[in-house]
Amino acid sequence: DGGITQSPKYLFRKEGQNVTLSCEQNLNHDAMYWYRQDPGQGLRLIYYSQIVNDFQKGDIAEGYSVSREKKESFPLTVTSAQKNPTAFYLCASSTRDRVYGYTFGSGTRLTVV
Amino acid sequence: DQQVKQNSPSLSVQEGRISILNCDYTNSMFDYFLWYKKYPAEGPTFLISISSIKDKNEDGRFTVFLNKSAKHLSLHIVPSQPGDSAVYFCAASEVGGSQGNLIFGKGTKLSVKP
Repeated sequence: DGGITQSPKYLFRKEGQNVTLSCEQNLNHDAMYWYRQDPGQGLRLIYYSQIVNDFQKGDIAEGYSVSREKKESFPLTVTSAQKNPTAFYLCASSTRDRVYGYTFGSGTRLTVV
Repeated sequence: DQQVKQNSPSLSVQEGRISILNCDYTNSMFDYFLWYKKYPAEGPTFLISISSIKDKNEDGRFTVFLNKSAKHLSLHIVPSQPGDSAVYFCAASEVGGSQGNLIFGKGTKLSVKP
């Protein structure tokens, strides 16, 4: 079955360390996205990529970095510059007609201690 | 400035009754709307959508109504079931727009009590 996989489900890191969250899809989708969810904040867009080797900043890109070397993969690195990294991170993908809806992964809960 | 607003952070409904979740938008260029359902520690799943050429779309217990003049849409769940308890996100987009991303509201947490 096609889908979008995020790993790991739970991640713990010490303050000041960079950490990379994995997102892989086998839906042959062109576009991929990273969102962050905090209580009462809804879904906030971090980065998105419409095509391989290209990506754009979303609303809250500071302290994050991404790469899109393969169509199937869109890893997100949470750097030490991100002031409040503890959150639930969601990856999504969509077809070229992306406005018709996204498919979401199951999320990664990152806790920085 | 929020382009998609869900003004009720939470809603509590008795099992078997109707749940009505509301969503307002400000961008008159939006012409496609979606509802997503999200359980804790899981990703959102697509529930139902509507194009601006329609004013109603039904799928089983779920109906979405669109009032373009008021820039308002609502999701009706009839009858509500305890398994419907989740956070519901409204999303909007501009088909053919230059950006093309979905814009999400902040969500409404629905609790259906047995």
